[in-house]
Amino acid sequence: AQSVTQPDIHITVSEGASLELRCNYSYGATPYLFWYVQSPGQGLQLLLKYFSGDTLVQGIKGFEAEFKRSQSSFNLRKPSVHWSDAAEYFCAVVTGGGGGNKLTFGTGTQLKVEL
Amino acid sequence: EAGVAQSPRYKIIEKRQSVAFWCNPISGHATLYWYQQILGQGPKLLIQFQNNGVVDDSQLPKDRFSAERLKGVDSTLKIQPAKLEDSAVYLCASSLDPNSPLHFGNGTRLTVT
Repeated sequence: AQSVTQPDIHITVSEGASLELRCNYSYGATPYLFWYVQSPGQGLQLLLKYFSGDTLVQGIKGFEAEFKRSQSSFNLRKPSVHWSDAAEYFCAVVTGGGGGNKLTFGTGTQLKVEL
Repeated sequence: EAGVAQSPRYKIIEKRQSVAFWCNPISGHATLYWYQQILGQGPKLLIQFQNNGVVDDSQLPKDRFSAERLKGVDSTLKIQPAKLEDSAVYLCASSLDPNSPLHFGNGTRLTVT
């Protein structure tokens, strides 16, 4: 079955440092991939998505992600982290058939930013 | 535009009681989803509606969970009777159509004691 794996449960970075959050997917065809961010007590906000085309995808809040088919990965990056980026980040892949937009989420990575 | 509205924000009940959650999607969004997010896990799809019809409810525990979307707008999710393992955040999301990005509400945090 299609799935995503986020190997890092928690990550701590210093403010201003670069960030990379890992996501690996399992899917037979070209996947539709997403990164969402969830702040405490909030719903999920879409950061960026990959459907096809350019493998480097730009998102909101200065985030980007790169789709690498050879590694089955879709890692999220940010060159300089801000304290407000502290949140939980979820990678997701579209699964399912005729229903279209069924998202399967990873278990999430909790990001802590040290000042 | 107004976002996805959910109520209540928090609910505490005892096991075997019943509870209902309400969701008002973004105006014009035909597709509506209910997700369950257990602490430490990613959200899991419970049910997906297209207008007022069910598209996918394969992961809905139908012996205790029910959902409806009358008139293809608002939706309610009910649990009866609740179990301890139902403690979670219940997220509602909507999208313009099944292939458009999802917009999530802030969720309802349910605690079953």
